[in-house]
Amino acid sequence: KQEVTQIPAALSVPEGENLVLNCSFTDSAIYNLQWFRQDPGKGLTSLLLIQSSQREQTSGRLNASLDKSSGRSTLYIAASQPGDSATYLCAVIGTAGNKLTFGGGTRVLVKP
Amino acid sequence: NAGVTQTPKFQVLKTGQSMTLQCAQDMNHNSMYWYRQDPGMGLRLIYYSASEGTTDKGEVPNGYNVSRLNKREFSLRLESAAPSQTSVYFCASRSGSRETQYFGPGTRLLVL
Repeated sequence: KQEVTQIPAALSVPEGENLVLNCSFTDSAIYNLQWFRQDPGKGLTSLLLIQSSQREQTSGRLNASLDKSSGRSTLYIAASQPGDSATYLCAVIGTAGNKLTFGGGTRVLVKP
Repeated sequence: NAGVTQTPKFQVLKTGQSMTLQCAQDMNHNSMYWYRQDPGMGLRLIYYSASEGTTDKGEVPNGYNVSRLNKREFSLRLESAAPSQTSVYFCASRSGSRETQYFGPGTRLLVL
């Protein structure tokens, strides 16, 4: 059974510092990995989708890497801003089925 | 283009009452999903529909039923609500296994 872990569970950084968020998964047989952002009381917003054949994806200040063989993905957010404060979740979809398996999330606070 | 919409946004039920959570998407997606999100438990899949006319159980299906009414709509029904079903419910959709999953804003359900 696929398990997805995100460490740390919470992170606090001063504005301007780069953020590094980690995601690990136990089964490397995946179609893709997706990073989401969730603001308090809101739904999930997709940030980046990395296909299993890709090593990284970039969007603006966000960069996500994928190392399928070691079961790891990292989300980098450059020059963090208070508006980046949110919970970030990663999720993988396995080749065996149609379902996303989510990590527990990392709650980020960027202090002005 | 509204994306994924959910109704109601908030509901209070008494134990034993029934209700249906509605979800609709206007992106012509094949697959639709129902999740629940609880503190400390993360997002867990309740049911999903890979395509119109099909539904399958997810991780926590007990106490729920679903209907894929057509390609756009996927409803979740609680036949006899229990306090353990107090949660935030999210609907999501995706065009295919390798594509981005989009989430609705959520329904907050309180069962007394």
